[in-house]
Amino acid sequence: QLQLQESGPGLVKPSETLSLICTVSGGSISSTSYYWSWIRQPPGKGLEWIGSMYYSGNTYYNPSLKSRVTISVDTSRNQFSLKLSSVTAADTAVYSCARLVSLAAAGRGWFDPWGQGTLVTVSS
Amino acid sequence: ETTLTQSPAFMSATPGDKVNISCKASQDIDDDMNWYQQKPGEAAIFIIQEATTLVPGIPPRFSGSGYGTDFTLTINNIESEDAAYYFCQQHDNFPLTFGQGTKVEIK
Repeated sequence: QLQLQESGPGLVKPSETLSLICTVSGGSISSTSYYWSWIRQPPGKGLEWIGSMYYSGNTYYNPSLKSRVTISVDTSRNQFSLKLSSVTAADTAVYSCARLVSLAAAGRGWFDPWGQGTLVTVSS
Repeated sequence: ETTLTQSPAFMSATPGDKVNISCKASQDIDDDMNWYQQKPGEAAIFIIQEATTLVPGIPPRFSGSGYGTDFTLTINNIESEDAAYYFCQQHDNFPLTFGQGTKVEIK
């Protein structure tokens, strides 16, 4: 059974770069038809898709965050990562990783499974 | 960008009730709608695929309906274990977007 687990600092200072890793177990990150994704939910607000990456490098980002986001995949470690630069308090959120199942249209589909999520607070 | 308007934001139900959660899309998204359940401190679970398909392993009291712009998640004979946060997601176009969510409380 595929499982995903987020890890990284729970506190980041304003203007710095938020960095998170998602470790995939129970399956290969190099499988076809899957994109490896990040989603976040600020406290009291709805969910926001950050972006998704195929193991070979094809990437889709939310335009609202595109200028600050980098998602990368490490097939040797079966991990993928998120970097979000120049963070502010508005980036405080629970960040979740998930596998995007994309069968028809590249980069579009449903998220299954999800990680538990990790709270990242931006504060000095 | 497709905005998903989900309602209600909160609802309280009694075991055995039938519960309907609505998700309205700001433009036609065919059947490219998915539903999820999330309990506090746990990973979200995928429950309905492409508007109407029940994900394997999900109890049959859950069902989805709709096409185009109006979608509904229905929970028949709701049980105490169904207390959770439910949200919709569209994959018709980029960026992928989510509804604001519905918190379901069981009395």
